[in-house]
Amino acid sequence: GESVGLHLPTLSVQEGDNSIINCAYSNSASDYFIWYKQESGKGPQFIIDIRSNMDKRQGQRVTVLLNKTVKHLSLQIAATQPGDSAVYFCAEYTGNQFYFGTGTSLTVIP
Amino acid sequence: GAVVSQHPSWVICKSGTSVKIECRSLDFQATTMFWYRQFPKQSLMLMATSNEGSKATYEQGVEKDKFLINHASLTLSTLTVTSAHPEDSSFYICSATDHRVYEQYFGPGTRLTVT
Repeated sequence: GESVGLHLPTLSVQEGDNSIINCAYSNSASDYFIWYKQESGKGPQFIIDIRSNMDKRQGQRVTVLLNKTVKHLSLQIAATQPGDSAVYFCAEYTGNQFYFGTGTSLTVIP
Repeated sequence: GAVVSQHPSWVICKSGTSVKIECRSLDFQATTMFWYRQFPKQSLMLMATSNEGSKATYEQGVEKDKFLINHASLTLSTLTVTSAHPEDSSFYICSATDHRVYEQYFGPGTRLTVT
């Protein structure tokens, strides 16, 4: 949903485990969603997207799940690697603009 | 392809001075550019949307006289922070899209520190 300036929740996982990052969005009219990865001091990088007419989409090591009933989005990262350590944001597209969620800081423990 | 650059990558300025940040689309024509602000350990907050050749649309609560945005060409948008104060210190990120507005390409960000 729209950013409300909250501090980031954190998630720590062991290298090789799967990670699940969750996001609640606010607008039931949103028809497009993106997951971004942001490393420290850098701009966001596109990971994967999904349109509202789908409930699942898979990429390389990543899967996005969309539950429109409860307005929930999740990002699953398989076999998490140290290079996956970053902040992950979901974004919803509404009214010709993107609104970013609070974000989750993922730390991968070697 | 679809590379967006920002300049400078970091800047330190004294309180009361103005700072200009440039956002360039290097290999595509950006009909729309977005400016975001990000505080440490927080999400991106949209400040304004700018379309080439027209005035920027500012989000509620963003002072347009303080954050001047110019989108004079299809490859360049600038954000000028006027009369900067320490509370303006932040990470400013731009993004650009071509006609396919769903695809938004982000710049690397500019870290502004006002002393």
